[in-house]
Amino acid sequence: DQQVKQNSPSLSVQEGRISILNCDYTNSMFDYFLWYKKYPAEGPTFLISISSIKDKNEDGRFTVFLNKSAKHLSLHIVPSQPGDSAVYFCAATLSADRGSTLGRLYFGRGTQLTVWP
Amino acid sequence: SAVISQKPSRDICQRGTSLTIQCQVDSQVTMMFWYRQQPGQSLTLIATANQGSEATYESGFVIDKFPISRPNLTFSTLTVSNMSPEDSSIYLCSVGKARREEDGYTFGSGTRLTVV
Repeated sequence: DQQVKQNSPSLSVQEGRISILNCDYTNSMFDYFLWYKKYPAEGPTFLISISSIKDKNEDGRFTVFLNKSAKHLSLHIVPSQPGDSAVYFCAATLSADRGSTLGRLYFGRGTQLTVWP
Repeated sequence: SAVISQKPSRDICQRGTSLTIQCQVDSQVTMMFWYRQQPGQSLTLIATANQGSEATYESGFVIDKFPISRPNLTFSTLTVSNMSPEDSSIYLCSVGKARREEDGYTFGSGTRLTVV
């Protein structure tokens, strides 16, 4: 059962415009969410995260929004650049799994973002 | 955040054989995680490896098929045993960092396995 869902397998955006990647989750116990970027032949690279006590976290061109009531989060990239073209994974984790150290992650299937000039 | 060296980066193996994947971390970590990404799928946790104890396997994964070693706090191996074409996937190891959630979880570069 997929607890983290990314329903759009791909997204194509023109350079300079905003990219919005969406993610839904089913487990209301998730309290920490992360976005990863993955290039071919590389492992996922951590991008940005958000705790469930927040509704927004911003880091440069990347902003993550969390809507707990809707169990939905989104990643905004603005302005989009060709180098942003990659697969983006949404992931979630539970406090109970983390304890004093980070625990397992639950991943979505990823969205392939293509930014064209 | 930790730096992970994972190898091999890729391999093509005959069915029925076994492959051992290694992950070396540049700092001591309590927990290491092994994930699998099948084509077009999400990353799925195989097992959690703690030093000095048996690995904890997720539903659908068993020790006989995916034996894991964790001899110390900086190293772990995952073996894919008696391989079949269905085992063709990307295998990734991962570590976390206590009290530095903003660093996220670090992943190795992955091992792309093709079983023929």
